[in-house]
Amino acid sequence: GAVVSQHPSWVICKSGTSVKIECRSLDFQATTMFWYRQFPKQSLMLMATSNEGSKATYEQGVEKDKFLINHASLTLSTLTVTSAHPEDSSFYICSASRPGGGETQYFGPGTRLLVL
Amino acid sequence: AQSVTQLDSHVSVSEGTPVLLRCNYSSSYSPSLFWYVQHPNKGLQLLLKYTSAATLVKGINGFEAEFKKSETSFHLTKPSAHMSDAAEYFCVVSALGRLYFGRGTQLTVWP
Repeated sequence: GAVVSQHPSWVICKSGTSVKIECRSLDFQATTMFWYRQFPKQSLMLMATSNEGSKATYEQGVEKDKFLINHASLTLSTLTVTSAHPEDSSFYICSASRPGGGETQYFGPGTRLLVL
Repeated sequence: AQSVTQLDSHVSVSEGTPVLLRCNYSSSYSPSLFWYVQHPNKGLQLLLKYTSAATLVKGINGFEAEFKKSETSFHLTKPSAHMSDAAEYFCVVSALGRLYFGRGTQLTVWP
């Protein structure tokens, strides 16, 4: 149990366009979902935390108008990178925690974004 | 404040020899501690977690870690490395609902 999926796994887009990434908890209802960004050879950087039905909480330095997070249901959160630029190219990973699971987070497989 | 220090950025071992990945932590709270593994271009997989029960924690794939409060350490070990263990390993502290990641240790396993 505790499987998290992401879609798409790879996306290439032109500069100035918007890209939506989906994160789903497949076999549990997620109390909270998290979005991370990972640069090559580096650790994960938390971007935002979201709870179903409420606004996401963004980390300092993360532009909320650029990285739009929607947590429409207990099993789905989306991250939209608006007006993407080459510097937004990165590996985006979501995670989810579940009721009774304590502080354990279950991670999705990640989405590689390349902005040309 | 919470922080995690992984003492080695790279560890290389021969297949069949023991693995030791070192991690020290700092936390203002009684911490929950985790080890995650990440294979190339993949998400993170939970190896094991410590949540104030037994100090020696057994995880998947033969890995285990020992919580030592006096040394603020949570080192990851495996008696015999396998080629499939080659990956990036992250030591993580959890506090107040968020995770704090170490910088990662790249494990290379030579045949």
